Amino acid sequence: GAGVSQSPSNKVTEKGKDVELRCDPISGHTALYWYRQRLGQGLEFLIYFQGNSAPDKSGLPSDRFSAERTGESVSTLTIQRTQQEDSAVYLCDSSLVSGVSYNEQFFGPGTRLTVL
Amino acid sequence: AQSVTQPDIHITVSEGASLELRCNYSYGATPYLFWYVQSPGQGLQLLLKYFSGDTLVQGIKGFEAEFKRSQSSFNLRKPSVHWSDAAEYFCAVGGNTDKLIFGTGTRLQVFP
Repeated sequence: GAGVSQSPSNKVTEKGKDVELRCDPISGHTALYWYRQRLGQGLEFLIYFQGNSAPDKSGLPSDRFSAERTGESVSTLTIQRTQQEDSAVYLCDSSLVSGVSYNEQFFGPGTRLTVL
Repeated sequence: AQSVTQPDIHITVSEGASLELRCNYSYGATPYLFWYVQSPGQGLQLLLKYFSGDTLVQGIKGFEAEFKRSQSSFNLRKPSVHWSDAAEYFCAVGGNTDKLIFGTGTRLQVFP
């Protein structure tokens, strides 16, 4: 496709359930980021993948959060034992190479997660 | 600490009026500054960016922003707002790291 896609667009789950969110980056983009956007707040960095390098997980809020990416393809963000405070829009973005200063970031439409 | 502050949570303007959205940043190194727009159901779209050089930066959709180092500001402006500009606007700062630090956003409402 022409842009970054994310699925599902909306997810409603019950507290304590696990959820998996998917991001399809633009083909050929080596860098992929996950952000969280809580209501009324800015985007919080979660995790960053660059090619086959070890991911930067410094933004993950707890060990319930994990993400995977194989090579330069799809990424999945998994939240285990969801809590109500996990309710947010989860955004993915990709860029051709790393370095936000010089490489345009292309954002997906996000997945809105609601934990009841 | 690195941070971005957008002091205005919500702004309402009439169509055709001028617009200024405020952004202040705190960053230890040379800042690279960005403005993004987010329309409902859409991903963030880059409006403009500042790296170096001319402190007045032109972007898409008729937007511009001015970098003022002495005030640590990067305010976004548009001389005449259109109804289609109603959206949420985010200021962000990046630098030598690979992460963007975002402000909390300003929601723009446009009245006809």
